[in-house]
Amino acid sequence: NAGVTQTPKFQVLKTGQSMTLQCAQDMNHNSMYWYRQDPGMGLRLIYYSASEGTTDKGEVPNGYNVSRLNKREFSLRLESAAPSQTSVYFCASSGDWLTYEQYFGPGTRLTVT
Amino acid sequence: GQQVMQIPQYQHVQEGEDFTTYCNSSTTLSNIQWYKQRPGGHPVFLIQLVKSGEVKKQKRLTFQFGEAKKNSSLHITATQTTDVGTYFCAGPESRLTFGEGTQLTVNP
Repeated sequence: NAGVTQTPKFQVLKTGQSMTLQCAQDMNHNSMYWYRQDPGMGLRLIYYSASEGTTDKGEVPNGYNVSRLNKREFSLRLESAAPSQTSVYFCASSGDWLTYEQYFGPGTRLTVT
Repeated sequence: GQQVMQIPQYQHVQEGEDFTTYCNSSTTLSNIQWYKQRPGGHPVFLIQLVKSGEVKKQKRLTFQFGEAKKNSSLHITATQTTDVGTYFCAGPESRLTFGEGTQLTVNP
């Protein structure tokens, strides 16, 4: 039982490049989330998927897109990376939207130069 | 929109001292969650409070939900070096909002 896994763990991009962050959970959770965490700041919600087949914007969605590929997988795409997107990205899942605790993946540390 | 504020932002204590972090919401919360993040790690769920005035304990950690369900606190008795990390509260109204966290350092 791996919980929530994320790939890659580290990534360096040049401005304008694109990439997809992958996330998978094996806990049969309905809801999945993408957060970013900047130094000295809390977690800010980028996008979430309350259930398979649905996605919604969070607090800071600009510059990102998501895909809920199936119940297990939720990916985050940066179409044209900018230095302001340098951050640590966490994927999380929970049994249900707003009701259950969230389980976080180990994070992806992204640097955009 | 909803705001969740935590104070203090940083707290340095000597091992054995007590520690408290406070969380305040601009709106009434249906429930509040607390998470701990070790340096370089990911947030880990600690507890969820649901009822007005609720108090829950986990060993040396005491969590409280305010009567008006707009504030919460986490108190650690006799801190240990293993308590080092950042403690976040999170309110689930309309969208999930995390406080900025309180970073705790413990001097042995």
